Amino acid sequence: QSALTQPASVSGSLGQSITISCTGTSSDVGDYSYVSWYQQHAGKAPKLLIYDVSNRPSGVSDRFSGSKSGNTASLTISGLQAEDEADYYCSSYTGSTTYVFGTGTKVTVL
Amino acid sequence: QVTLKESGPALVKPTQTLTLTCTFSGFSLSSSGMRVSWIRQPPGKALEWLARIDWDDDKFYSTSLKTRLTISKDTSENQVVLTMTNMDPVDTATYYCARTHLNRWFDPWGQGTLVTVSS
Repeated sequence: QSALTQPASVSGSLGQSITISCTGTSSDVGDYSYVSWYQQHAGKAPKLLIYDVSNRPSGVSDRFSGSKSGNTASLTISGLQAEDEADYYCSSYTGSTTYVFGTGTKVTVL
Repeated sequence: QVTLKESGPALVKPTQTLTLTCTFSGFSLSSSGMRVSWIRQPPGKALEWLARIDWDDDKFYSTSLKTRLTISKDTSENQVVLTMTNMDPVDTATYYCARTHLNRWFDPWGQGTLVTVSS
């Protein structure tokens, strides 16, 4: 199972919006609405941001939103803040009870 | 409050077997629907899912690593154990355990434990 493809880096200015893509195949992202997103600050464990494509857990800012079209899922961060600078990973259920993660995207706040 | 914490050796030699323990609180792995996964992350690299164990003792493994992995649980101790055989320097990584929700997402995660494979 190959990793989902994410851009290596995305940057934006304070207050701007950015979008991170996560491209898979018809066997994972395209076949299941089970995409999740995680934020990982340097030296820390990942934290769940979005589950089932577009649902936010309690306590996660509504500046984070998710969507999916075909084999590509997306995470949008609106009103970019300094604390959003981190690595972001997508994940998808693949069937056969396995999971695949994305290659990761480093977000830089300018 | 659900918490998980990984423990195990920080250093293992090539060809040795790694044994990691995930000790959790706030839920019981004997309760219907509960699941725990192991996930790893080599330094500076992406996350990789390794294995999952369910409340009913069903076990699932990464296709590429299944011959080397064994996952088990001790419900009375609230622990999940992962063993990985024939360790290689490329297995150097931070290993995380995480509760797996509805077969679909991972939350929360433990703090992770760094395992270095070196002679």
